[in-house]
Parts: sequence; structure tokens; C-alpha cells
Amino acid sequence: NAGVMQNPRHLVRRRGQEARLRCSPMKGHSHVYWYRQLPEEGLKFMVYLQKENIIDESGMPKERFSAEFPKEGPSILRIQQVVRGDSAAYFCASSLQGAGGGTGELFFGEGSRLTVL
Amino acid sequence: AQSVTQPDIHITVSEGASLELRCNYSYGATPYLFWYVQSPGQGLQLLLKYFSGDTLVQGIKGFEAEFKRSQSSFNLRKPSVHWSDAAEYFCAVGMRGSASKIIFGSGTRLSIRP
Repeated sequence: NAGVMQNPRHLVRRRGQEARLRCSPMKGHSHVYWYRQLPEEGLKFMVYLQKENIIDESGMPKERFSAEFPKEGPSILRIQQVVRGDSAAYFCASSLQGAGGGTGELFFGEGSRLTVL
Repeated sequence: AQSVTQPDIHITVSEGASLELRCNYSYGATPYLFWYVQSPGQGLQLLLKYFSGDTLVQGIKGFEAEFKRSQSSFNLRKPSVHWSDAAEYFCAVGMRGSASKIIFGSGTRLSIRP
């Protein structure tokens, strides 16, 4: 099942370090979404990217967070100088077309769980 | 801006009983509507979706949902739950147009009483 692949599944960082989370979308999908899930909370939209373009980053914190989806390779969510409040599960989803077009279905990875000590 | 409200944080039902999970949305036009399920430690799986047409939509695992425009609701139902249905359920709304995002509700945790 060549689904959405996220790695690492679990990541532990100390405060001030950098975290890099990777997401390989389903084959043929060029739309990638990142969501953050805090304990006991729902999914909060962070960013929507197409190949080489950021379409909507309205959910991204203004500082320390960045995302990219290069022409080749996986999408990367980068968190610089992590703090304890960044501890969460980060989910990536992909779609064949944008979520408002086509079937609209998002296919989710199993998430990357970041723990900041 | 679009938003989704799931008023029930946690629901417990007996195995074999019927289930209804509530979802209300706020959006200026007719949105795309979705229900996803998340098992512990896992990603989300699509249960069903509404785009247009018949307002009663059937999904996987015996679930169905009904879009009621007048109530801005998209409640999820199942006539008889099974212990394996215990999970977190998320309602989501998407705007029409290709460059759009999907917004999720805060989720409802479903527990099944033996």
C-alpha cells in the first residue's frame, strides 16, 4: 500500500534543537497538507503546498516554523528552536487535486509524534 | 471563515445500540463535508463525504450521514455499533475551489460499553 509516508514516526528533541518532519505523498499526488494535533484536541490546519509552492500558510506560526515541497523529494516541515509547546502529533495528508476540487479526499499518513524535553 | 463544531467531546454507547454524532458547520455557501475516523496512534481514514446530490450519504463500515442545509448540520449515524467502532471521529468542511484547505472539528471520542 503506497500510502502517505511520514518519518520519523517518533522524534525526541531538547528545547532549542531543530525538528525536521518528512512526508512523501501518495504516488501521483501533488497537493500536500500539514496538520498539528495537540493532546486531546482536534487537527489544526497548518499549511497547504503544491509542488514548489506554498498555497496557504494561514495556520503556520509566524516564527520558527517553515514548510517546503520541492520538485523532487518529500515535503518537509521544519521547526527551529523547539519549545515544549511544540510537542504534538504532526500529520501530513495528500490529495490528487486540491481539497476543494475533484474528489476532495485527503489521504493521511500515520503522523510524526514530536516530544520536546 | 469556515468553521466546524462538534458539541460532544466524548460519547459512550452500548454495543448494538444506535449512534448519532453531531456536527455543525459555518460557511457562506454549500461546502464539501467529510467524516473521518482515527484509531489510537493512527492517521485518519475517510468514512464518507458529501459533495452534492443526495443529502443522505453512505460510507464505509455501515456509517451514514445526512446533510441538512437548513440546520447547517452533517450528523453521522450508525444503526448498531460494534466494539471496533471505538475511536475518535472528526467532522470536516472544505470550501469549493481547488486551492482550498479542509478544516476539522475538535473531534468526538466514542467509547463502546460491552
